[in-house]
Amino acid sequence: QVQLVESGGGVVQPGRSLRLSCTASGFTFSTYAMHWVRQAPGKGLEWVAAISYDGSNKNYADSVKGRFTISRDTPKNMLYLQMNSLRAEDMAVYYCARVGDSSSWRSDLQHWGQGSLVTVSS
Amino acid sequence: DIQMTQSPSSLSASVGDRVTITCRASQDISNYLAWFQQRPGKAPKSLIFAASTLQSRVPSKFSGSGSGTDFTLTISSLQPEDFATYYCQQYYSYPLTFGGGTKVEIK
Repeated sequence: QVQLVESGGGVVQPGRSLRLSCTASGFTFSTYAMHWVRQAPGKGLEWVAAISYDGSNKNYADSVKGRFTISRDTPKNMLYLQMNSLRAEDMAVYYCARVGDSSSWRSDLQHWGQGSLVTVSS
Repeated sequence: DIQMTQSPSSLSASVGDRVTITCRASQDISNYLAWFQQRPGKAPKSLIFAASTLQSRVPSKFSGSGSGTDFTLTISSLQPEDFATYYCQQYYSYPLTFGGGTKVEIK
């Protein structure tokens, strides 16, 4: 079965960096686009970034553009989110998600990990 | 960016009630609309994609309808496990955007 497990969250000071990882299993990782979605404490869901199945296309929310980088390591079945210049408003649970349709860049988010909490505080 | 507006933001209902949640997009998104359920402290769970297609193993008490700008999620008979927050999301264009959520509480 599809499994997505996030890791790398923790407490970080404003302005510092953190890298989240998502370990994928139970499917052919190389054929699916992947996304990051976050949820600030007590708030709704906010899409963060997406990467195509082969890594050639990436998209970012304006709120993180220029600070966050999404990437993937296909041989390792890993998805990453490099977060630089972190701000208080970046504090959230970060979820990785796999799309439902491997053949389309325009696809729903079918499978989600359990999330990783990032706390930005001095 | 496409804005997604959900209503109501919260509702109180009893076990057995039929509940309808609406979602409106700020522009035509065809049927590129998904619905998610999120229980407290848990990850979102996909219920419906393409506006009306149930994900596998999602019970048929959930149904979705709509196209263009107006969509609905209906739960035909609320059960205790259905009390949660529900989100709509468009995947017609980037950035992907979510509705603000509808919290379904026990009356």
